[in-house]
Amino acid sequence: AQTVTQSQPEMSVQEAETVTLSCTYDTSESDYYLFWYKQPPSRQMILVIRQEAYKQQNATENRFSVNFQKAAKSFSLKISDSQLGDAAMYFCAYRSNPSGTYKYIFGTGTRLKVLA
Amino acid sequence: KAGVTQTPRYLIKTRGQQVTLSCSPISGHRSVSWYQQTPGQGLQFLFEYFSETQRNKGNFPGRFSGRQFSNSRSEMNVSTLELGDSALYLCASRSLGERGQETQYFGPGTRLLVL
Repeated sequence: AQTVTQSQPEMSVQEAETVTLSCTYDTSESDYYLFWYKQPPSRQMILVIRQEAYKQQNATENRFSVNFQKAAKSFSLKISDSQLGDAAMYFCAYRSNPSGTYKYIFGTGTRLKVLA
Repeated sequence: KAGVTQTPRYLIKTRGQQVTLSCSPISGHRSVSWYQQTPGQGLQFLFEYFSETQRNKGNFPGRFSGRQFSNSRSEMNVSTLELGDSALYLCASRSLGERGQETQYFGPGTRLLVL
């Protein structure tokens, strides 16, 4: 069975600095998708960034980028120029190949604090 | 488009009771998934419905059940509530997009407290 591990329960970053959140996963599949979701306090969870396993190029979305190491089964999220609005719980998620299996597996989350 | 809506937002029940939660997906979305979120376990997948059929199921006891209606609205039912069922229950809808391009849209959740 697939597992997703986020080893950092909590992280802090100074405003305007860069922070990296870690995520490792375990799977025997070769085709899958990885995601980072953000859940602000008392607000809805939203997708931050996605990565297709078959793509070697790391995904980027504005200030958010990932470091995808398929062989090491590592999928870290880098947030550049951190802003107060980035404070939230961040969840790493795994999803199997889309042919019928849409079950997502989430990590336990990392709480990010942004210090002014 | 209106987002995913969930009702009620908060619930307090006692052990042994049953509860029904409702989720209305984004218009046009036919897939609805349910998750249980707790501080210790994070998000755990409960089940997914597509076109009124349960397509995937997580590792939860049979006390947890669901259904989907023809308008894609979904309900989740928990019978014989236990203290450990206290959690935030999230619903997510998803449109069938191209390979890998689908996005889950989450609702605000229903916070259930079992006393």
